[in-house]
Amino acid sequence: AQKVTQAQTEISVVEKEDVTLDCVYETRDTTYYLFWYKQPPSGELVFLIRRNSFDEQNEISGRYSWNFQKSTSSFNFTITASQVVDSAVYFCACHSNTGKLIFGQGTTLQVKP
Amino acid sequence: DTAVSQTPKYLVTQMGNDKSIKCEQNLGHDTMYWYKQDSKKFLKIMFSYNNKELIINETVPNRFSPKSPDKAHLNLHINSLELGDSAVYFCASSQDTGLYTDTQYFGPGTRLTVL
Repeated sequence: AQKVTQAQTEISVVEKEDVTLDCVYETRDTTYYLFWYKQPPSGELVFLIRRNSFDEQNEISGRYSWNFQKSTSSFNFTITASQVVDSAVYFCACHSNTGKLIFGQGTTLQVKP
Repeated sequence: DTAVSQTPKYLVTQMGNDKSIKCEQNLGHDTMYWYKQDSKKFLKIMFSYNNKELIINETVPNRFSPKSPDKAHLNLHINSLELGDSAVYFCASSQDTGLYTDTQYFGPGTRLTVL
């Protein structure tokens, strides 16, 4: 069975600090996709990134970057120069071969001014 | 333009009542889903429909019945509501579950409170 672990329940940083959110996944599938979603205080789930299991290149999008390491089954998310608007719950997820999106427990990020 | 919409956004009701949540997507996607987010923020899939056909049915009480009148709509009907049904319910859609590549786009959620 697939499993996604986000060991950090809550993280608190001061604005402009860099912060990394950890994600470790377990799967027996050779082909799979990994995702990050953001859930701001308003409650909606916002898609951030999708990464397939064959592409281990890191990705950067503005202040966001993702580090995928198959050797350690990790897909970590870094926010550079954090801002108050980054405060949210962040979910890592893995798409299984049965079509189910398996979510981690979420990491609550609080960015203080 | 709203991609995935749900109504109502908030639903407060008494135990034992029957209620429905509606979901519509205008993305032209083939697959739609219902997820439940509990009080600890844990998200778990409940159902999935592809072109009006049920393809995922997790271990959910049979008081929950999804209905897909067409591929753009997936409604969730809940009978005999219980206190434990209180949660946020999210609808989502994706192009096609078979490719494994598909990003799921979520609606704004419906917060159900059972008193």
